[in-house]
Parts: sequence; C-alpha cells; structure tokens
Amino acid sequence: SQQGEEDPQALSIQEGENATMNCSYKTSINNLQWYRQNSGRGLVHLILIRSNEREKHSGRLRVTLDTSKKSSSLLITASRAADTASYFCATHSSNTGKLIFGQGTTLQVKP
Amino acid sequence: DAGVTQSPTHLIKTRGQQVTLRCSPKSGHDTVSWYQQALGQGPQFIFQYYEEEERQRGNFPDRFSGHQFPNYSSELNVNALLLGDSALYLCASSPSGTPYEQYFGPGTRLTVT
Repeated sequence: SQQGEEDPQALSIQEGENATMNCSYKTSINNLQWYRQNSGRGLVHLILIRSNEREKHSGRLRVTLDTSKKSSSLLITASRAADTASYFCATHSSNTGKLIFGQGTTLQVKP
Repeated sequence: DAGVTQSPTHLIKTRGQQVTLRCSPKSGHDTVSWYQQALGQGPQFIFQYYEEEERQRGNFPDRFSGHQFPNYSSELNVNALLLGDSALYLCASSPSGTPYEQYFGPGTRLTVT
C-alpha cells in the first residue's frame, strides 16, 4: 500500500523557474526521504529529513517537513532541463528499513 | 567503488514460468531490500534481507521469495508468473546501522506475456 500521496502528479515548467512538489503521509514517521528517477530506471537519493527537523537544504534543493500536518515539500530552485524526472517521497516508520513510497510527481523542465 | 548492480537488465517470461533476479550490494552494505514498481506507480516494498534472513516482508504472496548469500548479494525468485508481475524490480542496499538509507540499483524490467 502507498503511504504517501504526492501533489501535483505532473508539473511542467520553464528552465530557470522553481518547482515545488508536495507529499502527504498517513502515519507517524522516523524520517522522510526524496528520490529522483529518470526514465523508469533506478532511484537516486536526494535528501533525508528526520522527524525532528523542519527544513533541510542541499544545493538547489530545499525540503520542509511538517509532522503536525503529516506533509513535506520539495523545492527545486532555478530548474534545469536535466531536472526532468519523476520525484518520489518515501517515509520510514519501522525499526527495519522498509520504505513506503508515494505515487510520485513527474516534472518536465522545458529548455 | 561500484554501486548496486542488478542482473539481468531486461527479461521476458511467459505466464506460469519462474524467474530469478540478482543483486549485488554497494561495497560495505550488508542489508538488501527488494521493491516492485509497476508502470506509473511508486515502488512497493517486497522484503528485506539481513544476515541471510528475511527481516521484514511487504504484502506480497508466497510466490515471491528471496535469498541472501554470505557475500551479502541477493536473489529474488518469483514462481508461477502472472501478467500482473510485469514491473521494474528494484534492489536497494544499505548499511545495517541505518537500513533506511537505501541506495538503489538500476532495476530489472520484467515482462510477463
């Protein structure tokens, strides 16, 4: 079963614009991660935010986490055509490594 | 440092057949997880192996089984294939101390006809 729901399902922007995608989840979590997937291949880890953190930055990426609303957002600033991909949030709740993924947001960045 | 590798890249099987997919973890990782990703969906957790034992299992039937070898590599076996088993199968490895920090392989695309 999917834990997260991502919004929007698809996003199309021009190069240089910012892209924001949101993830909502249902149960309490230990941490939340964002992954990128190009053309149905393997997932690339982008950033991890722990349940006691509210915001985290990595290069052009900014992630926020609101545990009271059970939601997270990923902001990609100054987007590039190479950012075109599907983006997934994944929550971790158990004491093992099971990740529960959302449905993903497909981002298209037009040059 | 080699990342997670998976073989084969693509596979076509017929309904009712059996398939074995293979995964070699990233150097230094001892935990392997398997996920199934249907087209247009997010990955779904199948199971995780640690110390050659299945540590946790997702909501998948017994037709899905796995194995982990002493060198930490892993296999995913699927018996009695159904059309609905067509998907991208992803392997992820992680260190035992942080099993949620998962590094994914490129996946195996399985098509069942």
